[in-house]
Amino acid sequence: QQQVKQSPQSLIVQKGGISIINCAYENTAFDYFPWYQQFPGKGPALLIAIRPDVSEKKEGRFTISFNKSAKQFSLHIMDSQPGDSATYFCAASKGSSNTGKLIFGQGTTLQVKP
Amino acid sequence: AAGVIQSPRHLIKEKRETATLKCYPIPRHDTVYWYQQGPGQDPQFLISFYEKMQSDKGSIPDRFSAQQFSDYHSELNMSSLELGDSALYFCASSLISGNTIYFGEGSWLTVV
Repeated sequence: QQQVKQSPQSLIVQKGGISIINCAYENTAFDYFPWYQQFPGKGPALLIAIRPDVSEKKEGRFTISFNKSAKQFSLHIMDSQPGDSATYFCAASKGSSNTGKLIFGQGTTLQVKP
Repeated sequence: AAGVIQSPRHLIKEKRETATLKCYPIPRHDTVYWYQQGPGQDPQFLISFYEKMQSDKGSIPDRFSAQQFSDYHSELNMSSLELGDSALYFCASSLISGNTIYFGEGSWLTVV
């Protein structure tokens, strides 16, 4: 059973547009929600993360929106660039202590067209 | 800044052989995680270690074992390899007091 569900599976956006990727989780014990960016053949790299006590977090062109009651969170990439073309994974974990393993969503392959 | 170091980066083994992957966490990180990522799949948690003790276990086959050594590096041992074990294996590290998990570049294992 997929504990973190991610959509869409793939996304094509024009340069300068907004890319939106959505995730939903089931386990209310999750309290840490990162987004990772992965290029082919590379390891996932942390992009931005949020905790449930905050509804929105912005870092540069990347924004996470968090809806605790709906158990959903999303990544918005403003002014999308061709260099943003990658696979994006949302994830969730139970936070601190030695159970901080990440549960990943299925991934979204983003293609930004010039 | 120092990152998570994994070796080897690429490995080709035959069925039923054994493979060992090594991971060197970011200095001062006390927690190590191993993940397996199949082609087009999301990373799946295998096992983690905190202060050299196994802290959590995921979908790791019984044919696989891992340990963390006194210098905090970790090794993933995979025996009786099967074709389905072909995947990208990631090691990641973090501080137990923090949430940010940093991933290595991964080790490509191909079983033929």
